[in-house]
Amino acid sequence: GAGVSQSPRYKVAKRGQDVALRCDPISGHVSLFWYQQALGQGPEFLTYFQNEAQLDKSGLPSDRFFAERPEGSVSTLKIQRTQQEDSAVYLCASSLFSTTSNQPQHFGDGTRLSIL
Amino acid sequence: AQKVTQAQTEISVVEKEDVTLDCVYETRDTTYYLFWYKQPPSGELVFLIRRNSFDEQNEISGRYSWNFQKSTSSFNFTITASQVVDSAVYFCALIPLMDSSYKLIFGSGTRLLVRP
Repeated sequence: GAGVSQSPRYKVAKRGQDVALRCDPISGHVSLFWYQQALGQGPEFLTYFQNEAQLDKSGLPSDRFFAERPEGSVSTLKIQRTQQEDSAVYLCASSLFSTTSNQPQHFGDGTRLSIL
Repeated sequence: AQKVTQAQTEISVVEKEDVTLDCVYETRDTTYYLFWYKQPPSGELVFLIRRNSFDEQNEISGRYSWNFQKSTSSFNFTITASQVVDSAVYFCALIPLMDSSYKLIFGSGTRLLVRP
């Protein structure tokens, strides 16, 4: 497709379970970002990839969060031993170039994660 | 500090009214980019506009216009003759150029409701 694709669209998990969220960026886009959006808030940065290299993971809230982009295309955000506070919408964005300060980031529809 | 403030949590207008969404930002960098995104109920963040800190020229795109004023650190967004389809949450965001990860720093958003 032409846009950023995220799956699943919705995910419900029990506390303590591991989850994996997938992002397919726009083809050819070098930069990929993950954001977390709590209810009623703006998205907050989690991590950034330039091709397969994870250049910034300063926003990951704990060591339970792990992201990868092994071939520089599809990315997976994994959350281990989920907690209720992990409930949020997880947004993926991609951008064409590596120097993206002036390039718009294109977002997917997000994955709404609910931890019971 | 790098911060974006959208003081208006929610605005409700009647169709065809003009409405202005406020955005105030803080950054220690002299070069930065500002963005507006729209988030309809579907959840996807839609890019609307990008401005760089050296270009204070106001911009108009159809019913949308943006007023960038460095002196007051504001980047306000006006919708003229609002329509029901404009109902969404609008986010203002900042990328400081010195941030090598080019992550978007979002405000908390303004929910706009346009009533018929």
